[in-house]
Order: sequence, then C-alpha cells, then structure tokens
Amino acid sequence: QVQVVESGGGVVQPGGSLRLSCAASGFTFRSSAMHWVRQSPGKGLEWVAAISSDGNNIYYADSVRGRFTISRDNHDNTLILQMNSLRPEDTAVYHCAREEMATIAFDFWGQGTLVIVSS
Amino acid sequence: AIQLTQSPSSLSASVGDRVTISCRASQGIFNALAWYQQKPGIAPQLLICDASSLQSGVPSRFSGSGSGTDFTLTISSLQPEDFATYYCQQSFDYPLTFGGGTKVEIK
Repeated sequence: QVQVVESGGGVVQPGGSLRLSCAASGFTFRSSAMHWVRQSPGKGLEWVAAISSDGNNIYYADSVRGRFTISRDNHDNTLILQMNSLRPEDTAVYHCAREEMATIAFDFWGQGTLVIVSS
Repeated sequence: AIQLTQSPSSLSASVGDRVTISCRASQGIFNALAWYQQKPGIAPQLLICDASSLQSGVPSRFSGSGSGTDFTLTISSLQPEDFATYYCQQSFDYPLTFGGGTKVEIK
C-alpha cells in the first residue's frame, strides 16, 4: 500500500539547519508530484513547498522561499526538504504528501516529523 | 495569495445532525477546491477534490458543492467518527492555501 514516512526532525537553535527526508513506497514515485505541508502545534495547515514528478518545477511558500530547498531522488524514492536559517515560527510537524493525479490536492500523507526551533 | 475563509471556526452538533461548513475564496477559483478531515494526532485525509468529487472510500454522507468563490462541505447525518477538524484547500494557484479549519464537536 501507499506509504510515505518522514524523518529528520528534531530540536535546533534559531539560525540552524535541518534536513528532512520522506521515504516513499507502494506507488510509482517518479510519476507523482510531491509536497511538504506543515502544522504548527495547535494550529492549522500551511503548505510549504512542491516539486513536480521530474523535479523540474518547484514552488515555495513566501514564508520559506530562500531558506528552504525541496528536492527529490527518483532512484531512491526519496523526497528531501533542506531547511536553513530556521526561525522559531518554523516550529511544526512537517508532513510529506503525495499530489493526487488529476488535481493539486494531497491524497496520501505521512504522519509527519516534528521540528522545534528554540534556543 | 488566495485567502480561504472558513466558517464557522467551530460548531457543536449531535449524532444524526446535518452539518454544513462554508469556505469562501478571496478570488474566483472555479472548482479548484479540496476538503480534508483531520483527527487529533493523525494526518489529514482527503475527502473531496474539485469541489464535489468524493474520494474513493469516503462515505456518501459527505458531499461538496460550490464554484467560483463560495463552497460548502455537507455531512448529511453526522456519525460519531465524524467529530474532527475540517479544512478546505485551494488548488487553483500557487502558493497553495488552506482555510483556517472548522472543528466539529459533540453537543
């Protein structure tokens, strides 16, 4: 069955970096656009970044552009989010999500990995 | 960015009630709207995309309607497992955006 499993979260100081990974299985990863969506504790959902199936088209939320980089490895079925210059407001659970085939909605989500930015 | 305003932010209802949740977009988005259900500690689940297309496996008591700027999620007869938070999301343009959520609680 379709699975996406995130890893790499943790506690980091403001200004620090983290690299999140998402391991995908149970579907043809190279055919699916992928996204990162985050949720701050007790808050709503915020879309972070997207990457097309071939990696050629990338989009970012204004709040992370210039600090975060999304990438993918279609040989390893892995999605990556490199997060630099982290701020306290980046504290959240980060979910990897698969894009539905016919529309830009998210039909499979991972359980997420928690990132805490604090001194 | 396209803003999505959900109302109400929370509601109390009983099992068997008909529940409607509204989502208003700051500009026209045709039918490019999805709805999600999220229970505490669990990732969101896609219920409806393209405003009214029910995802496979989602009970038929859920339905979506609307186009342009005004959309509605309806639960025809609320079940115990439906108590959760519901979010709308526009798929019309980047940056993708979500509504603020509607928490459905037990009366």
